[in-house]
Amino acid sequence: SQTIHQWPATLVQPVGSPLSLECTVEGTSNPNLYWYRQAAGRGLQLLFYSVGIGQISSEVPQNLSASRPQDRQFILSSKKLLLSDSGFYLCAWSAGNNEKLFFGSGTQLSVL
Amino acid sequence: GQQVMQIPQYQHVQEGEDFTTYCNSSTTLSNIQWYKQRPGGHPVFLIQLVKSGEVKKQKRLTFQFGEAKKNSSLHITATQTTDVGTYFCAGVRTTSGTYKYIFGTGTRLKVLA
Repeated sequence: SQTIHQWPATLVQPVGSPLSLECTVEGTSNPNLYWYRQAAGRGLQLLFYSVGIGQISSEVPQNLSASRPQDRQFILSSKKLLLSDSGFYLCAWSAGNNEKLFFGSGTQLSVL
Repeated sequence: GQQVMQIPQYQHVQEGEDFTTYCNSSTTLSNIQWYKQRPGGHPVFLIQLVKSGEVKKQKRLTFQFGEAKKNSSLHITATQTTDVGTYFCAGVRTTSGTYKYIFGTGTRLKVLA
């Protein structure tokens, strides 16, 4: 069966520090991968999505970047975190276009 | 850009009462999906609607897709405490062959025993 792993579960980082969140999917190949951010009590904002290795599409201009070095690995990064980067980050995958999303357990990021 | 709005933002109901959340898109959607997020958890897929005017039921939950494929609703009959959580719709729209999932703002449901 397919599983999605996302870590760490919680992270507290000072302003100006770098960030690296990792997400891996098992049990499937060539998934579509997504990064979402959820501010406290708010909806999900699509940050990045990828339909293949090295293919990244950004939805909103921001302080973050994403990479897909391997088929089932998706990484969210920042060189210098801002206070406004705080939030709940969710990785998700789908088997293809128009398919349901499977979410990871999320990373609660606090930038202080 | 495309927006998907949901109302209400919050809803408190007594256990046994019905609950409805509405989802509206500024553009026509390929399909719409519904997710539930329990407090402290991650969104979990509930259902997908594809056809104009489609209605689907899952036990006490009834999902509807509008005729114009721009709005949708989720109705829960006789709520239970296990229904607590935030319900999100996600509009699926194709852009240059790529399917984008644009989530609504969510409706947070609290059920009072």
